[in-house]
Amino acid sequence: GEDVEQSLFLSVREGDSSVINCTYTDSSSTYLYWYKQEPGAGLQLLTYIFSNMDMKQDQRLTVLLNKKDKHLSLRIADTQTGDSAIYFCAESPERSNDYKLSFGAGTTVTVRA
Amino acid sequence: DGGITQSPKYLFRKEGQNVTLSCEQNLNHDAMYWYRQDPGQGLRLIYYSQIVNDFQKGDIAEGYSVSREKKESFPLTVTSAQKNPTAFYLCASGLAGTGTQYFGPGTRLTVL
Repeated sequence: GEDVEQSLFLSVREGDSSVINCTYTDSSSTYLYWYKQEPGAGLQLLTYIFSNMDMKQDQRLTVLLNKKDKHLSLRIADTQTGDSAIYFCAESPERSNDYKLSFGAGTTVTVRA
Repeated sequence: DGGITQSPKYLFRKEGQNVTLSCEQNLNHDAMYWYRQDPGQGLRLIYYSQIVNDFQKGDIAEGYSVSREKKESFPLTVTSAQKNPTAFYLCASGLAGTGTQYFGPGTRLTVL
């Protein structure tokens, strides 16, 4: 969506860290999400962060939120071939009282040996 | 076995025909959503429903229709009025009052 922007492609070597970046425009967003989509499949919820948090860590995943700059990032440690997928950032604007999500266009992550 | 199911996984339709895509969930979620995904693009919202017997248009509702007669079910009909229906269709559900949505496996519709 036009409110959420992501870079389209990321190539990373197996074992390295991946960092996927996202910017959003709605400063009233209450929740921000990261979803993963493998080829031909639906979206899998990876993690989410409340807007009053700066960081959230879950095993190999670290989410960083900079509210001032409206910037969200997802770091995947020790990237594996199974991490090759499209990653979507999404925001849930507080202004939307029916809690619709605005999605970015997705970042295609390719893990090379 | 809880989750969201969509059927069929692949669907072929001739031009001029209506077709209905199924979406069922047993997560007891109030809200359900339909999205369309085209290659290289993000998700675009077609219709959503926060409660039984009520639904709202999303950003690209023209050429589509829905019903919400049961909490568990939210079928989407792609009508002949939809000019470019070939796409990947995703259904999602979530608890009303939160933004968190959980997705089904998708249906790929191809118009021949």
